[in-house]
Amino acid sequence: DGGITQSPKYLFRKEGQNVTLSCEQNLNHDAMYWYRQDPGQGLRLIYYSQIVNDFQKGDIAEGYSVSREKKESFPLTVTSAQKNPTAFYLCASSPFRQGRNNSPLHFGNGTRLTVT
Amino acid sequence: AQSVTQLGSHVSVSEGALVLLRCNYSSSVPPYLFWYVQYPNQGLQLLLKYTSAATLVKGINGFEAEFKKSETSFHLTKPSAHMSDAAEYFCAVTGSNAGGTSYGKLTFGQGTILTVHP
Repeated sequence: DGGITQSPKYLFRKEGQNVTLSCEQNLNHDAMYWYRQDPGQGLRLIYYSQIVNDFQKGDIAEGYSVSREKKESFPLTVTSAQKNPTAFYLCASSPFRQGRNNSPLHFGNGTRLTVT
Repeated sequence: AQSVTQLGSHVSVSEGALVLLRCNYSSSVPPYLFWYVQYPNQGLQLLLKYTSAATLVKGINGFEAEFKKSETSFHLTKPSAHMSDAAEYFCAVTGSNAGGTSYGKLTFGQGTILTVHP
């Protein structure tokens, strides 16, 4: 079955450490996204990528970094500069087509990051 | 720019009762609208989407939503709630026009937690 795999499900880190969250998709989708979810705030876009080797900042990119070296993979690094990193992180993908903006997002099952 | 407001962070209904989850949007271009459902510690699943065809959209699990341009609303309904409908629901919007900073990105509402009582 095609889908999006996020690993690990739960991640614990000490403050000051960088941590990388994995996201892999086998849907052959062009576009991939990272969202952060906090209770009562919905989902906020961190970074997105519409094509390999290209990515754009979302609404809350500060303290995060990404890479898109392969179509299937879009890892997110939470750096020590992120002031409040504890959250639920969701990766998504869509079959991005130039001129068409109505493709729904397909989501992974998320990674819950706790930083103490 | 787009925004979404979901009225009511928590909605509680009895099993068999009508479910109504409210969503109002703001968009400077004709919108595409989506409803997603999220079960605890999982990702989001698409319930339904409006993409400028029929204004009444039917989705999975018996849900439907009606696009009302004059009211800038896209409320989600289900005639009879089931215990398995208990989850968090998100309304989302994106612009229908190519180009611009909003292209290819969804803006989500804050979410509504639906509780179903036996």
